Amino acid sequence: DAKTTQPTSMDCAEGRAANLPCNHSTISGNEYVYWYRQIHSQGPQYIIHGLKNNETNEMASLIITEDRKSSTLILPHATLRDTAVYYCIVRIPPGAGTALIFGKGTTLSVSS
Amino acid sequence: GAVVSQHPSRVICKSGTSVKIECRSLDFQATTMFWYRQFPKKSLMLMATSNEGSKATYEQGVEKDKFLINHASLTLSTLTVTSAHPEDSSFYICSAEGGREDSYEQYFGPGTRLTVT
Repeated sequence: DAKTTQPTSMDCAEGRAANLPCNHSTISGNEYVYWYRQIHSQGPQYIIHGLKNNETNEMASLIITEDRKSSTLILPHATLRDTAVYYCIVRIPPGAGTALIFGKGTTLSVSS
Repeated sequence: GAVVSQHPSRVICKSGTSVKIECRSLDFQATTMFWYRQFPKKSLMLMATSNEGSKATYEQGVEKDKFLINHASLTLSTLTVTSAHPEDSSFYICSAEGGREDSYEQYFGPGTRLTVT
């Protein structure tokens, strides 16, 4: 899987949008961008994924640049419960039995 | 969404003993399950990939005789830490690949905290 680069940490005020960037300049044409998060002492939670189009679900939006070398995860109205480590991962589609490989992620701290 | 459970959630064992951790996919069948280990303030590290009915594939540096993995059915994989030592104390997380046709992904269990005294 291609390597990703994320900032180590970010802060966000409660109620504001949290924009988490990720660089994946070596992404291959068939690799997707996935985002997971891990709240302290819990298993990772799937957030969203995309190939090249922007995606939105009930949790977040994913903006992927046209060249696909970077992306941004947007939490539109961050709450205290969004405090977690966020992992950006690029991978081939599931089904091939290939594991997700986690980098260091971004620790997002949401404060009131 | 698809649910993966782990049991136990916490376990304390004495050095030299063995402990078994179960990982179950509750509402879907998983041909492939993965085991990760996470030390404090570190990221998840893949330990092994297990496929139902076949031997697990271990990552480099993971002792297969120490971390026994069995994937006997499409909904259950077990990790047994044999002759545990304090340095095996960690957060063990499993994941299962599967789900419905429109949501086929890798789903994670809640993790098992192992403390070896």
